[in-house]
Amino acid sequence: SSELTQDPAVSVALGQTVTVTCQGDSLRICYASWYQQKPGQAPIVVIYGKNSRPSGIPDRFSGSSSGNTASLTITGAQAEDEADYYCYCRDTSANSWIFGTGTKVTVL
Amino acid sequence: QVQLVQSGPEVKEPGASVKLSCKASGYNFNSHWMHWVRQAPGQGLEWMGVINPNDGTTRYTQKFQGRVTLTSDTSTTTVYMEVRSLTSEDTAVYSCARDWSAMIDTKTTWWLDPWGQGTLVTVSS
Repeated sequence: SSELTQDPAVSVALGQTVTVTCQGDSLRICYASWYQQKPGQAPIVVIYGKNSRPSGIPDRFSGSSSGNTASLTITGAQAEDEADYYCYCRDTSANSWIFGTGTKVTVL
Repeated sequence: QVQLVQSGPEVKEPGASVKLSCKASGYNFNSHWMHWVRQAPGQGLEWMGVINPNDGTTRYTQKFQGRVTLTSDTSTTTVYMEVRSLTSEDTAVYSCARDWSAMIDTKTTWWLDPWGQGTLVTVSS
């Protein structure tokens, strides 16, 4: 089966920009979706498709992809963006779905 | 509004089984596959399986094949997940989530929205 690999943790100064990346072979045929999870809460989708945001998600969240890498960018990070972020895609080799390993974003 | 409401917390002994429910409302139940995801304490999200409520088609990650069964009841718009032969490693929050997908250019995107509130399953003797 495939894997989606993310950096375990990144930090960003308040108001600055941070990019979270996700790497895996499945991303060559799949646009990843991205989930924000705060402690004790269910995940919520923040980006899906090429760069689509569900209603209610601030436009400081954006997505992109190139080759086997998907990226989530937070432009002008706010304190409330501190959370764990996961990418998600189909695992074509196993006819299933997979999550990335997760990235903890800390806003300083 | 669209809602997924899951059953309450469970405490089970090792070797037992547990059956969790996820009741959907606010949309056409048959139109969206339903996924199950779990998260062990301090760990990441783990995809477990998916069911098409319309015809009962299921897919499971290989890790859970044979130990997990997903079923659906269209009359009550409820999806169930049974996990058998529980061990302490199955202690986790189990969540259901509605599937979406779309073709964009030559790629496909899948996303999960909304999610249920999660059910804590504790396996302990």
